[in-house]
Amino acid sequence: NAGVMQNPRHLVRRRGQEARLRCSPVKGHSHVYWYRQLPEEGLKFMVYLQKENIIDESGMPKERFSAEFPKEGPSILRIQQVVRGDSAAYFCASSLAGGASSYNEQFFGPGTRLTVL
Amino acid sequence: AQTVTQSQPEMSVQEAETVTLSCTYDTSESDYYLFWYKQPPSRQMILVIRQEAYKQQNATENRFSVNFQKAAKSFSLKISDSQLGDAAMYFCAYRSPARGSNYKLTFGKGTLLTVNP
Repeated sequence: NAGVMQNPRHLVRRRGQEARLRCSPVKGHSHVYWYRQLPEEGLKFMVYLQKENIIDESGMPKERFSAEFPKEGPSILRIQQVVRGDSAAYFCASSLAGGASSYNEQFFGPGTRLTVL
Repeated sequence: AQTVTQSQPEMSVQEAETVTLSCTYDTSESDYYLFWYKQPPSRQMILVIRQEAYKQQNATENRFSVNFQKAAKSFSLKISDSQLGDAAMYFCAYRSPARGSNYKLTFGKGTLLTVNP
C-alpha cells in the first residue's frame, strides 16, 4: 500500500516565482490536511480539504496561498510570488474520514522542502 | 484555542537507558486526543503513540509509553531501552474531537533527542 506521496521533495524558487506542491493521499482517503513547518518550529495547520471542497483554511495566509483537491488527481498547494519567508517544509496528511475517532488518523507524507532564493 | 508546550528543546540519553520527554497542553475541552510523533532526519512524520483523554490507562507501544495526567494537562513520553534509531525530533500534538475544529492537529515546538552510544 502506498502511503501519502508528495512531490517534489525539494523545490527551489527565486523570489517572485510560483511554487506548486503536490500531494497524493493514501488510496481511498478523501480528506487532506496541509501543514507548514518553519525552521526550528513545530508543524502548523494551514488548510483542510475534502474532494473538491475547502473545509477550513483558517491557517492559510490571506494572500498568495491557495489550495485545491480536485475530484481527480492530487491536492495542490500553490504559492504565488514566493518570498524568502515562505521557505519551509510543507507537509500533507490524509485521513480516511473527518470524524473524531482515533481511527481517522492522519497519515503524513514526507514533506516538500521549499527554498526561496 | 488549544496550545501545546514542550519545554525541553533538546534532550540526550545513553543507549539502553530511559528518557522522558515532557509535554503540557492547555484546553477547556474534556475529551480530546493526544499524540507523540517522531521526525527523524528524513523529516518523515511517524506516529509513535496516541492517547484518548477519556481513557485513564496510559498508552503503551513496545518501548514507548506515556504518563497522561489529565488534571495537570501533562502528557510525557517515556522511551525505555533507548536505541540509536530513536534519535529524532519528537513532537507532541493535540486534536480536538469537536466537529468545528475540523480535527486538525496542534503541535508543540518539538524536542530534539540525541542518543549517545
